[in-house]
Amino acid sequence: GQQLNQSPQSMFIQEGEDVSMNCTSSSIFNTWLWYKQDPGEGPVLLIALYKAGELTSNGRLTAQFGITRKDSFLNISASIPSDVGIYFCAGVTSGTYKYIFGTGTRLKVLA
Amino acid sequence: DAGVTQSPTHLIKTRGQQVTLRCSPKSGHDTVSWYQQALGQGPQFIFQYYEEEERQRGNFPDRFSGHQFPNYSSELNVNALLLGDSALYLCASSHGPNSPLHFGNGTRLTVT
Repeated sequence: GQQLNQSPQSMFIQEGEDVSMNCTSSSIFNTWLWYKQDPGEGPVLLIALYKAGELTSNGRLTAQFGITRKDSFLNISASIPSDVGIYFCAGVTSGTYKYIFGTGTRLKVLA
Repeated sequence: DAGVTQSPTHLIKTRGQQVTLRCSPKSGHDTVSWYQQALGQGPQFIFQYYEEEERQRGNFPDRFSGHQFPNYSSELNVNALLLGDSALYLCASSHGPNSPLHFGNGTRLTVT
């Protein structure tokens, strides 16, 4: 099935470091969502973005809707051990109800 | 405020059997979407229900069918199970068809 490209696939970082990840699409989206999924649980919504260039924060997390509308970025500042998990982006195009998800970025934080 | 609830949490079925998964949406939500998540992959859209109708369908065969009830809860039915249907099935609810999705913890289906 169709999936968005997320980069990096996985990353190990030291506690306290900042993290950046991105998501790219071949299609233009009008909404971008970012989720975190822990083992054995469903994805939890972190941030929703609705227009090109929009920058939205949720605590230590900041996400941006790319100006081309084909990409989005997520930054985590001062990472802590509980940031460990898989981060997914998801996007939807105008006129459809089908959110397409990315391949995920696995984050591991070394204390 | 209850979030999205799914039942059962785990299920083991034999190839060829049929299965029904259930979902209750978050309070205040009227739209339910179903996703399949294979191990190590992102969720794949199966279909969405709004106003008791299937509004959009992903690239899944007719063996996958669903229903939405007047109280907005939903069921996912899969007939003639294949080994490849083994996955985590996620239900997501939203306030309207285009709003952000809120997921349950899923049903882990294993087909042997």
